[in-house]
Amino acid sequence: DGGITQSPKYLFRKEGQNVTLSCEQNLNHDAMYWYRQDPGQGLRLIYYSQIVNDFQKGDIAEGYSVSREKKESFPLTVTSAQKNPTAFYLCASSIATGTDYEQYFGPGTRLTVT
Amino acid sequence: GDSVTQMEGPVTLSEEAFLTINCTYTATGYPSLFWYVQYPGEGLQLLLKATKADDKGSNKGFEATYRKETTSFHLEKGSVQVSDSAVYFCALSSNTGGFKTIFGAGTRLFVKA
Repeated sequence: DGGITQSPKYLFRKEGQNVTLSCEQNLNHDAMYWYRQDPGQGLRLIYYSQIVNDFQKGDIAEGYSVSREKKESFPLTVTSAQKNPTAFYLCASSIATGTDYEQYFGPGTRLTVT
Repeated sequence: GDSVTQMEGPVTLSEEAFLTINCTYTATGYPSLFWYVQYPGEGLQLLLKATKADDKGSNKGFEATYRKETTSFHLEKGSVQVSDSAVYFCALSSNTGGFKTIFGAGTRLFVKA
């Protein structure tokens, strides 16, 4: 089955530690995205990538970093510089042509930092 | 820039009631419009979409019509079920926004038995 996997579903870290969230897709999509969702809030774009080895900052990139070394993979690192890292993180992918960028989402990773 | 505004929630309805969730947009160019649904603890999934003016998207009893004249894409369902309880997001994508999708803030729907 084609889709997006995110692991782990729940992640706990101590303050001051960097943590990397995994995102893998087998949909052969060129574009991938990371969003942050806080309780009762909408989605905020952290980073996105339209092609391998290239990515752009979204609306709230500070304190985060990404890499895109393979088409299938787009890991997100939450660094110690991110002041409020506890949130629900969603990865998505889409085609990157035309205007119909229907996004396919993974199940999310809930990160708790104490 | 492009934006999406949807009605604030939560919306609470009894089973079999009629549902409307309002969504309006601002965009340059000719956007595609989407409704996504998020069930508790899960990622979003596409509910329906429309890619040009006057198109009607439909799925699972939900409908929305792309109205260019009123820049709206309201979500409707004739008879809601308890299982429809979720958060609904209106969204748009366009060729002027790069490969990004702009999401509304989401509307939480509670359906009571």
